[in-house]
Amino acid sequence: GDSVTQMEGPVTLSEEAFLTINCTYTATGYPSLFWYVQYPGEGLQLLLKATKADDKGSNKGFEATYRKETTSFHLEKGSVQVSDSAVYFCALTFGRSQGNLIFGKGTKLSVKP
Amino acid sequence: DTAVSQTPKYLVTQMGNDKSIKCEQNLGHDTMYWYKQDSKKFLKIMFSYNNKELIINETVPNRFSPKSPDKAHLNLHINSLELGDSAVYFCASSQAGTRTNEQFFGPGTRLTVL
Repeated sequence: GDSVTQMEGPVTLSEEAFLTINCTYTATGYPSLFWYVQYPGEGLQLLLKATKADDKGSNKGFEATYRKETTSFHLEKGSVQVSDSAVYFCALTFGRSQGNLIFGKGTKLSVKP
Repeated sequence: DTAVSQTPKYLVTQMGNDKSIKCEQNLGHDTMYWYKQDSKKFLKIMFSYNNKELIINETVPNRFSPKSPDKAHLNLHINSLELGDSAVYFCASSQAGTRTNEQFFGPGTRLTVL
């Protein structure tokens, strides 16, 4: 079945470090891909998205590129801040009648000053 | 203005009780969802409604019954609560027919069953 695999956390970084959170997917078609972020005690917020191969989603300094050949959508940020500490979820959906999101297990990021 | 709202934010109750969680969206979307997040933060779809009709019902015990009085509301009723029902429940909405199917989430309801 369709699934999303994320790197295991937690990930602990110092402020201004480079961040990569790996995400790969298994899907029978061509899904849309998302990164959602959950700050402590809050709901999920869409961070960025990509709908087709080679699309790059970006927001708040985060980027991810839809790689069809490697079925990946890795999240990167060049310089993390303490305020980036959160749980990050990679997800896919096919839209239309199969609209539900399929999530990875989440990766907790802690950024130390 | 809150796009997707849920009430209550916290719910503490005893085993065997019946409880409801309400969800409302003011985005004009035609599809609404319920997700469950367990203690390990894993998120899984429970239900999906499109124009008040159930379109997805994952392997959820029939103690859980979603009710959609109109397109803007999707409530979740839970009968005979069990310890394993303790989790955070998220409501979400989207507009069907769009390529991205971007979903907007509510703040979550933390259910604790004692």
